[in-house]
Amino acid sequence: NAGVTQTPKFQVLKTGQSMTLQCAQDMNHNSMYWYRQDPGMGLRLIYYSASEGTTDKGEVPNGYNVSRLNKREFSLRLESAAPSQTSVYFCASTPPRITGNTIYFGEGSWLTVV
Amino acid sequence: QQPVQSPQAVILREGEDAVINCSSSKALYSVHWYRQKHGEAPVFLMILLKGGEQKGHEKISASFNEKKQQSSLYLTASQLSYSGTYFCGTPRDAGGTSYGKLTFGQGTILTVHP
Repeated sequence: NAGVTQTPKFQVLKTGQSMTLQCAQDMNHNSMYWYRQDPGMGLRLIYYSASEGTTDKGEVPNGYNVSRLNKREFSLRLESAAPSQTSVYFCASTPPRITGNTIYFGEGSWLTVV
Repeated sequence: QQPVQSPQAVILREGEDAVINCSSSKALYSVHWYRQKHGEAPVFLMILLKGGEQKGHEKISASFNEKKQQSSLYLTASQLSYSGTYFCGTPRDAGGTSYGKLTFGQGTILTVHP
């Protein structure tokens, strides 16, 4: 059981370049999330998707776009990368509340913008 | 608003106990606790719900006082494997299906030495 899978794991971008972080979960979860974590800080929510076809902004959405391609996949796009977007990005998913309260995180994607 | 954790760092020897606190300026109806090892994804420890429930995980337990808007994580007889950064997370909004929308504290670094 793979859980939540993110790609790529490491990426270096130049300022102004664009890229997409891919995320897929095989647990049939409805809700998916993108968080970022900066050194010495907790995770901050960028965007989330309550279900296929819906997306909403979180705490720090500026500079990002997302796509919920289907129930399994939730991608995060940086249209014009900036050094301030250097961070570790975590994709996550949650099952229906009635079945539990655990957030399942992917292994993270380390992004450096130079 | 971000919950505030204290202390920022704790250094223990194996077998010693520790308490990590998490305080919020807004009303809470649940508190989530996660542990993160360096370079890894956060791992769910437990969730505390309204009513002062104490939840346990191995020798780790927690309490939740909704009136004081705070939660405490208790680590007893610490083991080397307990080392890591501990985060509390509080819901960004009440209810809803996407309960993974959390605001995380800044983290408490726990180091356990032999």
